[in-house]
Amino acid sequence: NAGVTQTPKFRILKIGQSMTLQCAQDMNHNYMYWYRQDPGMGLKLIYYSVGAGITDKGEVPNGYNVSRSTTEDFPLRLELAAPSQTSVYFCASSYPNPSGNTIYFGEGSWLTVV
Amino acid sequence: RKEVEQDPGPFNVPEGATVAFNCTYSNSASQSFFWYRQDCRKEPKLLMSVYSSGNEDGRFTAQLNRASQYISLLIRDSKLSDSATYLCPHTGANSKLTFGKGITLSVRP
Repeated sequence: NAGVTQTPKFRILKIGQSMTLQCAQDMNHNYMYWYRQDPGMGLKLIYYSVGAGITDKGEVPNGYNVSRSTTEDFPLRLELAAPSQTSVYFCASSYPNPSGNTIYFGEGSWLTVV
Repeated sequence: RKEVEQDPGPFNVPEGATVAFNCTYSNSASQSFFWYRQDCRKEPKLLMSVYSSGNEDGRFTAQLNRASQYISLLIRDSKLSDSATYLCPHTGANSKLTFGKGITLSVRP
């Protein structure tokens, strides 16, 4: 069971470069999320999606874009990388059940912008 | 008011101690509650769900207080391996999942 897979795991970007963080889940979950976590801080929601073709902004969407063309994939795009985007990025997916959403996280992508 | 707020912490306790912390939520319509655990440089993982009647899993007890809008986590007989950050996500409108800063627990020998 692959669960939630994120790539790359580590990346160094130069200021102004662009890149896409990939996220894929094989559990047929409708809901997917992108978070960033700065050192010593909590998880901040960047974007989320409740199904293919639907995306919504989270708490800190500026500087990022997402798309959800399929149920499985939810890529996060950084257009003009800035040092403030140095962080750990976690992708997550969930499914609703009678007790609520159970969330599965990827292992994280460590991004440094220099 | 933030959607979810947690005890400020950090908590530093000796092995064998009992420790408890709370997570306050703002949305009174929230239906589901969970505790997650995050180890250093790792992804968060589900620790336990929180049911209205309270639930126990070994040394861990989770409770929900709807009247005061908070959930609690009690850890008995703390182990060194319990050292981690404990998170409580909040499910808002349209399944928007947000987290507080988390509560850091350090268990010392």
